[in-house]
Amino acid sequence: GENVEQHPSTLSVQEGDSAVIKCTYSDSASNYFPWYKQELGKRPQLIIDIRSNVGEKKDQRIAVTLNKTAKHFSLHITETQPEDSAVYFCAASNAGKSTFGDGTTLTVKP
Amino acid sequence: NAGVTQTPKFQVLKTGQSMTLQCAQDMNHEYMSWYRQDPGMGLRLIHYSVGAGITDQGEVPNGYNVSRSTTEDFPLRLLSAAPSQTSVYFCASTKSWDQPQHFGDGTRLSIL
Repeated sequence: GENVEQHPSTLSVQEGDSAVIKCTYSDSASNYFPWYKQELGKRPQLIIDIRSNVGEKKDQRIAVTLNKTAKHFSLHITETQPEDSAVYFCAASNAGKSTFGDGTTLTVKP
Repeated sequence: NAGVTQTPKFQVLKTGQSMTLQCAQDMNHEYMSWYRQDPGMGLRLIHYSVGAGITDQGEVPNGYNVSRSTTEDFPLRLLSAAPSQTSVYFCASTKSWDQPQHFGDGTRLSIL
């Protein structure tokens, strides 16, 4: 089955700095790669996603890149703000079946 | 639209008891999934469904059963609760394979 590895597990940055979270996947059949943000005690919510036929996608301060050959994808957050502090999960999906990474706890220090 | 509704929000069970976690969505989504989230960990797929009458196992299916008789509902049954099943359970639905999942608020389950 699919295996998704996510790094780092914790990340601390100063407000205004950039943050990068990386994920690798094992199943070349995976074709949809969403990123979710989860605040403490809340449900995961989508922040950005990318499909396998696209290499990069950007939405304001958030961007995702995908390298299908190397089977890895990354989340980039620029100009971080304290409200970006949360746990971020990557996922790799194929035909409706999703495998999640173990999450990255991002702390943005004011 | 209510989105994805999970009931109950909290539950305490004794070892060996059975129960059903309810999940309903009103978005006419074909795909539905159940996950468990243990402290400090990601979401692990228990069972999923790609349409009414169709279910399949995820990463951690043992001890759980599901059925999908309607598009709207996807209940998760714990057959004989064990302390190792203490977790937060999330139900999610999505319209298509390349669309994001919508999660419910979760059910916090403790098994003593």
